[in-house]
Amino acid sequence: DAGVIQSPRHEVTEMGQEVTLRCKPISGHNSLFWYRQTMMRGLELLIYFNNNVPIDDSGMPEDRFSAKMPNASFSTLKIQPSEPRDSAVYFCASTKSSGQNNEQFFGPGTRLTVL
Amino acid sequence: KNQVEQSPQSLIILEGKNCTLQCNYTVSPFSNLRWYKQDTGRGPVSLTIMTFSENTKSNGRYTATLDADTKQSSLHITASQLSDSASYICVVSHHYNTDKLIFGTGTRLQVFP
Repeated sequence: DAGVIQSPRHEVTEMGQEVTLRCKPISGHNSLFWYRQTMMRGLELLIYFNNNVPIDDSGMPEDRFSAKMPNASFSTLKIQPSEPRDSAVYFCASTKSSGQNNEQFFGPGTRLTVL
Repeated sequence: KNQVEQSPQSLIILEGKNCTLQCNYTVSPFSNLRWYKQDTGRGPVSLTIMTFSENTKSNGRYTATLDADTKQSSLHITASQLSDSASYICVVSHHYNTDKLIFGTGTRLQVFP
């Protein structure tokens, strides 16, 4: 099993540009989570999906952020336009089914730097 | 105020020594508590998951304890190795939404030879 796959691993962009982060969950997992990690705030949940349907997007910071999951094997997190304060590591995680004690498996993350 | 507080923020120990990391939480009612290990440049990896009815759980040299009455947990690392150098994150899920994990800010452990 390849685990959760994220791309790109590193992204450097200029303020105002559109950024798209990609995630492929573990095959057979039906819940997918997007997190952001910064030194100041640690790991924060942005949005999560069950069976490709967004369940809770209350962590999405503002309208510049959007996420989609068109099918069970692919999700994107888009930032448009990007700002320097969006610089962080973005993680995608997946789990077999929502509920108690289900372990979330994290991808390697995408380190985003917005200049 | 963060609902999951960890201490210390950072810790340096010598290889072979034991150490204990602390986690206090205010999430209530809570469903389960997890400890994750995060190596530099990688995603977090689960070490233990405990429900409110469990007091202790081990994973090799890692032993987690939970006191649901005082809302405290600890992670004990025995006979530390250089590969234990990482951040250790305490994570709690709420009883009514077990998918929404609440993360502590972590303890950064460095093990020196």
